[in-house]
Parts: sequence; structure tokens; C-alpha cells
Amino acid sequence: AQTVTQSQPEMSVQEAETVTLSCTYDTSENNYYLFWYKQPPSRQMILVIRQEAYKQQNATENRFSVNFQKAAKSFSLKISDSQLGDTAMYFCAFMESGGSQGNLIFGKGTKLSVKP
Amino acid sequence: DSGVTQTPKHLITATGQRVTLRCSPRSGDLSVYWYQQSLDQGLQFLIQYYNGEERAKGNILERFSAQQFPDLHSELNLSSLELGDSALYFCASSASGRKNEQFFGPGTRLTVL
Repeated sequence: AQTVTQSQPEMSVQEAETVTLSCTYDTSENNYYLFWYKQPPSRQMILVIRQEAYKQQNATENRFSVNFQKAAKSFSLKISDSQLGDTAMYFCAFMESGGSQGNLIFGKGTKLSVKP
Repeated sequence: DSGVTQTPKHLITATGQRVTLRCSPRSGDLSVYWYQQSLDQGLQFLIQYYNGEERAKGNILERFSAQQFPDLHSELNLSSLELGDSALYFCASSASGRKNEQFFGPGTRLTVL
């Protein structure tokens, strides 16, 4: 069974600084999707960024980028120019790409606090 | 706003009771997913429906059941409720062939007293 591990329960960063959140996963599949979701205090789940395992290029969405290391089964999220609104729980998630089953497997989350 | 709606926002009930949570997917989305977020278990997948048919099942208890109706809305039924069922229940939806793009609703907060 696939597992997702986020080893940093909590992190903090100063506004405008850069922070990296770690995620490792375990799977025997060759093709899959990886995600970072943000959950602010409102509890809404918001997709931050998505990576397809067969793509070697790291995904980027504005201030958010990932470092995808397939061999190491590592998928870290870098937030540049951190803003107060980035304060949230961040969840790393995995999904098999084959078939029609779309169940996301989540890590336990990292609570990020951005300090002024 | 993701376009996915869930009702009610909050639900408080007693042990042993039965409740129904409702989800309306984004317009045109055929797939609906249910997730549970609790302090003990974290975020976990419960069940997926596609155009009215069950497509995948996760760690869903036998006391829980779900269905998707012809108008594509879905309901999650929780019965014989226990204190441990207190959680935030999310519904998500995705378009056909776009399972990797799930849009989450705001969730229903269930409190079992």
C-alpha cells in the first residue's frame, strides 16, 4: 500500500522569506500523481500544485514550486516570498494514475506559520 | 469558491443516531469523492462514485454508506454514530477523465456527543 510521510509537524517562516516543506512517499507504481494541498483556518482544501511522475520537469505555480526526486521518492514544496496568507496546514498527497479510481492518499500535514 | 456545495455546514448529534450529509458536485462533474478528516486518522478517503456507480472504496466503516443520485448529487449516511465519528467530512468532485483535479467542498463538521 502507498504511504505518504510528512516529517515536519510544524514550521515557521518570516514574511518574505523562503520555506521548504518535505514529503516522502512509498509506492511500487511507476506512474502516479503527487499533490500539495493547502488548508487555511477556514478548513477549505485548496490545491496548490500538482506533479505527474512521468514528467521530469518540476511543477511551478507562481511562488510555489516543487522538487520532485522520483528515485528518492521525495516531493518537497518550496514557498518563495512567504506571505501572511500562506499560514495554513499543508498536505502532501499521492494518487495512482492508472484506472479510474481517484482516491487521494494524504500525509499527516505540516502546519506552517508565517510571521510578520 | 470551488463550486462544490455541502450541507449542512455543522451537525451536532448524539451517539447512536443516524445522519445524512449531502454534496452537490460542480456542474458537469461526474465523479464524487468522500473524505474524512479527524484528529486521530488524519485525512482519509472513504468512497468514490462515478455517474451513479461506486468506483472505489477506502476505509469506510460498515455503519457508513453512500450513494450518488441521477442528478449527480451524493449523500453520505452515517449510522449508529460513535464519539469517534466526530470529524470534518469533505466531498470533492472531478470531471470525467480528470480524477487528478479534484475540487473540494467546504466540508460538514460533525460533532457526536
